[in-house]
Amino acid sequence: QVQLVQSGAEVKKPGASVKVSCKTSGYDFTSYYIHWVRQAPGQGFEWMAIINPSSGDTTYAEKFPGRITLTRDTSTSTVYMELGSLRSEDSAVYYCVRKTTARPFDYWGQGTLVTVSS
Amino acid sequence: ETVLTQSPGTLSLAPGERATLSCRASQSVSSSYLAWYQQKAGQAPRLLMYDASTRATGIPDRFSGSGSGTDFTLTISRLEPEDFAVYYCQQYGGIPWTFGQGTKVEIK
Repeated sequence: QVQLVQSGAEVKKPGASVKVSCKTSGYDFTSYYIHWVRQAPGQGFEWMAIINPSSGDTTYAEKFPGRITLTRDTSTSTVYMELGSLRSEDSAVYYCVRKTTARPFDYWGQGTLVTVSS
Repeated sequence: ETVLTQSPGTLSLAPGERATLSCRASQSVSSSYLAWYQQKAGQAPRLLMYDASTRATGIPDRFSGSGSGTDFTLTISRLEPEDFAVYYCQQYGGIPWTFGQGTKVEIK
């Protein structure tokens, strides 16, 4: 079955970086885009970025200029999201999500809580 | 950017009652690329509906979706205990993909 399994919770200081992994299984890794969205405590969802696992091409939301990087490892079917220059407002649950063209987000990772605190 | 506004913010209903949730877009949603998700506390969202009115795999038929353009509705015909949760609409017509702020369906 399709699974997206994310790495565990992180606590970081302001100004630091965090790297979250999303290991996929149960489907052809290169046939679906992987998106990252986040949800601040008690809030809604914010779309952050997308990667094409086949080509490695990425698109980032304008809100994160130079702060976010997505990479992938096709040998392990894993996508990585790195967010730098962390501030308290980045404290949130980060989700990786699978999607294909003209379809919604169908499978979600379990989420990774990132807490930014001095 | 397409802004999605959901109403009401909270819906207080009893099991067995009908729930009607609204999602209004700031501009027309391309090809009715509008989805609905259910989220329970501490869990990732679950896809309920896509293309405005198509139920996702395994979703019971008490859930239905309708609408086009800028106005969309999710209806739960008879609330079951497991339906009390937060519901989000989302448009996937183009970058950036955006979500509504959510409607909480709580037990009255």
